[in-house]
Amino acid sequence: IAGITQAPTSQILAAGRRMTLRCTQDMRHNAMYWYRQDLGLGLRLIHYSNTAGTTGKGEVPDGYSVSRANTDDFPLTLASAVPSQTSVYFCASSLAGGVNHEQFFGPGTRLTVL
Amino acid sequence: GQNIDQPTEMTATEGAIVQINCTYQTSGFNGLFWYQQHAGEAPTFLSYNVLDGLEEKGRFSSFLSRSKGYSYLLLKELQMKDSASYLCVALDSNYQLIWGAGTKLIIKP
Repeated sequence: IAGITQAPTSQILAAGRRMTLRCTQDMRHNAMYWYRQDLGLGLRLIHYSNTAGTTGKGEVPDGYSVSRANTDDFPLTLASAVPSQTSVYFCASSLAGGVNHEQFFGPGTRLTVL
Repeated sequence: GQNIDQPTEMTATEGAIVQINCTYQTSGFNGLFWYQQHAGEAPTFLSYNVLDGLEEKGRFSSFLSRSKGYSYLLLKELQMKDSASYLCVALDSNYQLIWGAGTKLIIKP
């Protein structure tokens, strides 16, 4: 693979179910991010990780959790999905966090919670 | 609070020039990005400005005025493939990104 990949591409999920969105990058970037994008709003940061083994909360972390066991992978888990979590989710990475580096985005996961 | 303002939608003609404006209010400032996002796709990086002035990159140029909290993206010789949303993103004093909602640019033949 080259760049950053996400899986699944799209998913329809019943409310209350647990779901993990996967994200993998092969650019050896230290920092990774999860965003959600909703119509009429800017991208909103859910969680981030500046280096393997560390994570931090973004603007809208409630209902989501992340882990960063290694440099390449940064999964996002919805423990008990709710309809308000219907959105397009983008994973991104950058060479380093906390600086002015551009971010590279995965293709996104379109999630619908019914 | 921190805020980005940019027009929701603009229309321009193929071959013409268009300027997309952005104003920002942030706690401190460490630069401004522009990203392009085609419908159904991921955002991709276009430019980064941290000093006042105009930076040109091919058909695209980006301008920054720190004193006015203002930036614009200038697209010349518009092509149909430039139809996309353009996201203005400010970097605050903590290096947190503040994302605008984007300007949807529609190019007509």
